[in-house]
Amino acid sequence: EDQVTQSPEALRLQEGESSSLNCSYTVSGLRGLFWYRQDPGKGPEFLFTLYSAGEEKEKERLKATLTKKESFLHITAPKPEDSATYLCAWGAAGNKLTFGGGTRVLVKP
Amino acid sequence: NAGVTQTPKFQVLKTGQSMTLQCAQDMNHEYMSWYRQDPGMGLRLIHYSVGAGITDQGEVPNGYNVSRSTTEDFPLRLLSAAPSQTSVYFCASSRTDRHSGNTIYFGEGSWLTVV
Repeated sequence: EDQVTQSPEALRLQEGESSSLNCSYTVSGLRGLFWYRQDPGKGPEFLFTLYSAGEEKEKERLKATLTKKESFLHITAPKPEDSATYLCAWGAAGNKLTFGGGTRVLVKP
Repeated sequence: NAGVTQTPKFQVLKTGQSMTLQCAQDMNHEYMSWYRQDPGMGLRLIHYSVGAGITDQGEVPNGYNVSRSTTEDFPLRLLSAAPSQTSVYFCASSRTDRHSGNTIYFGEGSWLTVV
């Protein structure tokens, strides 16, 4: 069964304290591993798509990496405005996404 | 969230009523889909479409109906609302599912309560 699992479920960080979020997947026919940010009461906001093991993408304080079995979202020197829920999803043909449960990140000043 | 518009934002329905959630995109995207988000369950795919006139079921299609008569619009119909359909609904669209330009955009969501 295709499955996407995110850990930890919640993460409390001090401002400036770098950390990593994990997304592990057991799927067939990967056509993209997606990362999204979701703020309360809002829709998911696209961050990255990764396609091949070894691929990396960066955006401001965020860096996403991909291996054959998992993806990491590294948050470097986070700020309070990085507080959000981060979602990863596996993409299949037709852009059907299978989401993990998300990681709630709280960055305290 | 670029160009995906959902209406209404909030809706309260009585059990057994029917209604349509609207989704429109102005980016000429081929692919559109509907998800529901429930606490502890993450987002789950309800229905999707790979082009006008083509739709298919996702993971949780029961109780919902869709059609895609134009590229721009992808409405989601609740045929006879049940309390189990209380959820937040998100519409998504994208141009392609291939490597080039594969960015999937989501709308702001529709909060539905069935009493």
